[in-house]
Amino acid sequence: TAGITQAPTSQILAAGRSMTLRCTQDMRHNAMYWYRQDLGLGLRLIHYSNTAGTTGKGEVPDGYSVSRANTDDFPLTLASAVPSQTSVYFCASSSSTGSKGYTFGSGTRLTVV
Amino acid sequence: GQQLNQSPQSMFIQEGEDVSMNCTSSSIFNTWLWYKQDPGEGPVLLIALYKAGELTSNGRLTAQFGITRKDSFLNISASIPSDVGIYFCAGHLQGTYKYIFGTGTRLKVLA
Repeated sequence: TAGITQAPTSQILAAGRSMTLRCTQDMRHNAMYWYRQDLGLGLRLIHYSNTAGTTGKGEVPDGYSVSRANTDDFPLTLASAVPSQTSVYFCASSSSTGSKGYTFGSGTRLTVV
Repeated sequence: GQQLNQSPQSMFIQEGEDVSMNCTSSSIFNTWLWYKQDPGEGPVLLIALYKAGELTSNGRLTAQFGITRKDSFLNISASIPSDVGIYFCAGHLQGTYKYIFGTGTRLKVLA
């Protein structure tokens, strides 16, 4: 089934360690996004990419980095994890115009201890 | 930055009852979307609205794009247990790819 694949599904990570959350889409969407979801705060945009080779900062980018080497992949890296980064992370993609909304992955539940 | 005020934050209703939730903003959007998130899953698109005043249905769901383009509502008729989840509105910022998401309405249906 076409869509977005995120890995891992869940992870417990020691504070100070680094980790990369993977995201792959097979819909040839130009734009991709990373959101974090926290109780009471909804979905907050971390980073986005309008097209391969470009990235931009969202609402809460500190402590995270992304790369977009090709159309399909958009990994999110935590260089040195802190407990406040405990959250559920969602990757999403959309067409160039975004007019039909986003397609979301199933999420990665990250716990930083 | 832009914000969407979504209400109510949570609802507990009896099976068979109708549900209504809404989103308001100080910004004008050219598209409104409504998503549902099942437990442990990512949000899934329910309804998309593209014109001010537009009223669109998807089965038991009905959504409307406000005339001022600053608000939208979602109604669910005759709720069933599988309607449980979090419902998000999202507004599209004109000229960008970006959507602004509401904080969600958590719906629980009591059988």
